[in-house]
Amino acid sequence: DVKVTQSSRYLVKRTGEKVFLECVQDMDHENMFWYRQDPGLGLRLIYFSYDVKMKEKGDIPEGYSVSREKKERFSLILESASTNQTSMYLCASSPGTGVPSEAFFGQGTRLTVV
Amino acid sequence: DAKTTQPNSMESNEEEPVHLPCNHSTISGTDYIHWYRQLPSQGPEYVIHGLTSNVNNRMASLAIAEDRKSSTLILHRATLRDAAVYYCILRLWAANFGNEKLTFGTGTRLTIIP
Repeated sequence: DVKVTQSSRYLVKRTGEKVFLECVQDMDHENMFWYRQDPGLGLRLIYFSYDVKMKEKGDIPEGYSVSREKKERFSLILESASTNQTSMYLCASSPGTGVPSEAFFGQGTRLTVV
Repeated sequence: DAKTTQPNSMESNEEEPVHLPCNHSTISGTDYIHWYRQLPSQGPEYVIHGLTSNVNNRMASLAIAEDRKSSTLILHRATLRDAAVYYCILRLWAANFGNEKLTFGTGTRLTIIP
């Protein structure tokens, strides 16, 4: 069974903390994605990566950074968490064949910043 | 990036067919049409995709207009478990290996009436 695993389902952090959200996939996929989902706004792409150490900004990268040191792991970093980063965060991966193919999603991490 | 337009919400009766429309008037020749759905409290899951021809799989059918400026996802016999948000997405086939952005809109919330 293919799998994208996010390290936590629920997380509560304080304003100003550095927060790491981890995502691991076991399908040897080249592409990995981080999204946030807020009511009425749908899924918005924060960052994506198409190879180890490669990253590209999505639509809302401000306040976030990412790290991809190994093919299977893609980390989202909130350098200094703020209350407006309270959201559901979703990770996804897909093969990098050039022809767009199925993407697989994790279950999500609901982050609350207090 | 080419955009898609979907109705915010739709209702359908259980065990009847459902036709979910999507407009993508600025689609380019190398954009694939993908559909995902998101069940409550879960990450999105892939439903179907196509380029020019109609496509069928065990979950649904995808009907693509001849000019490719619109498409319709067809659920042949809706069940209560099909209640979800359905996203129509254009995915660019990129010449660069693995460089595939995956961008969602706000989707159509489908309600199934028992």
